[in-house]
Amino acid sequence: EVQLVESGGGLVQPGGSLRLSCAASGFTFSSYWMHWVRQAPGKGLVWVSRINSDGSSTRYADSVKGRFTISRDNAKNALYLQMNSLRAEDTAVYYCARDGPGGWGQGTLVTVSS
Amino acid sequence: QLVLTQSPSASASLGASVKLTCTLSSGHSSYAIAWHQQQPEKGPRYLMKLNNDGSHNKGDGIPDRFSGSSSGAERYLTISSLQSEDEADYYCQTWGTGIHWVFGGGTKLTVL
Repeated sequence: EVQLVESGGGLVQPGGSLRLSCAASGFTFSSYWMHWVRQAPGKGLVWVSRINSDGSSTRYADSVKGRFTISRDNAKNALYLQMNSLRAEDTAVYYCARDGPGGWGQGTLVTVSS
Repeated sequence: QLVLTQSPSASASLGASVKLTCTLSSGHSSYAIAWHQQQPEKGPRYLMKLNNDGSHNKGDGIPDRFSGSSSGAERYLTISSLQSEDEADYYCQTWGTGIHWVFGGGTKLTVL
């Protein structure tokens, strides 16, 4: 069974940083492309970033480009999202998700507020 | 520009069937999509990948009540024998250039 468990969310001040983690199990993590998706309170799903299976290729939504960095450690079955220069509009539940076929974690809440 | 369009809401009675629609933008009618379900206060759940020929591959444990079909630029999710737990938001998603995800706005399904 595909299991994805996010952690690392919390309350951070504007301009601050946070690192999200996603622990994967139940499948061969190193074979799959992975994504981060976020959902602001009461809103729909918005794609944030993706990384290919060996970590050599990444892509970002324009809204986070230059501030967020996606990475992975296939030896640890882990996906990461380093978030810098956080803004109020980054407040959301952040989900990690597997591509082809999909699978989702339960999400971790990031709140950016002073 | 690659855009997915969904109706904001739909409703159907307990035990009935409902067909949700996701429309691909002009020039993208051959694209495959995926359907995801999000029950209240929960994370999303992958339902299926739906190809432009109507063939689909469902995720593990997805009941036979859920099926997909395609016609031109439209992709459909049909849920039969509606149950109360089917009340949820349903999102379609596709793959843009460079394998980034694009989501539709979601359809909120109410089971009456």
